[in-house]
Amino acid sequence: ETGVTQSPTHLIKTRGQQVTLRCSSQSGHNTVSWYQQALGQGPQFIFQYYREEENGRGNFPPRFSGLQFPNYSSELNVNALELDDSALYLCASSPTSGRATDTQYFGPGTRLTVL
Amino acid sequence: AQRVTQPEKLLSVFKGAPVELKCNYSYSGSPELFWYVQYSRQRLQLLLRHISRESIKGFTADLNKGETSFHLKKPFAQEEDSAMYYCALPYYTGGFKTIFGAGTRLFVKA
Repeated sequence: ETGVTQSPTHLIKTRGQQVTLRCSSQSGHNTVSWYQQALGQGPQFIFQYYREEENGRGNFPPRFSGLQFPNYSSELNVNALELDDSALYLCASSPTSGRATDTQYFGPGTRLTVL
Repeated sequence: AQRVTQPEKLLSVFKGAPVELKCNYSYSGSPELFWYVQYSRQRLQLLLRHISRESIKGFTADLNKGETSFHLKKPFAQEEDSAMYYCALPYYTGGFKTIFGAGTRLFVKA
């Protein structure tokens, strides 16, 4: 069984640019959540997708958007990057139910630096 | 509003000593709480969830609704328990969400 993978591992962007981060969920998991983790903080929930539809969103502006695909992959897109967007971005997949109370299986994260 | 508080950023104990990592929550519904752990150079992973009432790696956590707490305990700490521990609360308010605490770094000294 393949675990959750994320790409790229590291990324450097300039303020104002756009970025796309990718995640491949564990096979059979149709729920994916994205988190932003700043240094020294716990993960902050961005949004959750279930069967390609967003079914939960945290306190993040609309320039954070996502997509989930039928092949268990997903994307996090961030437009108009700001310096404060520099963080580790985690994706986590869960089996079946689309609720938030399933165990989440985390990827290794993508480290985004905005200059 | 929903909130998860882990009051200690760092907890240092000697090997063989008892350890308790504190987690307090604020939630109007019936909570289903989790503890996740991140060992050095590894990804975040589930340690235990209260609904399963399991003991994992000697750790237990009891949900105390009166004190709104879900503290993680182990009677005898081991060096391999050194890690970052996060308490998490999934909930539903206009959509499914999860809130994590800021985490506690446990350091077990030899």
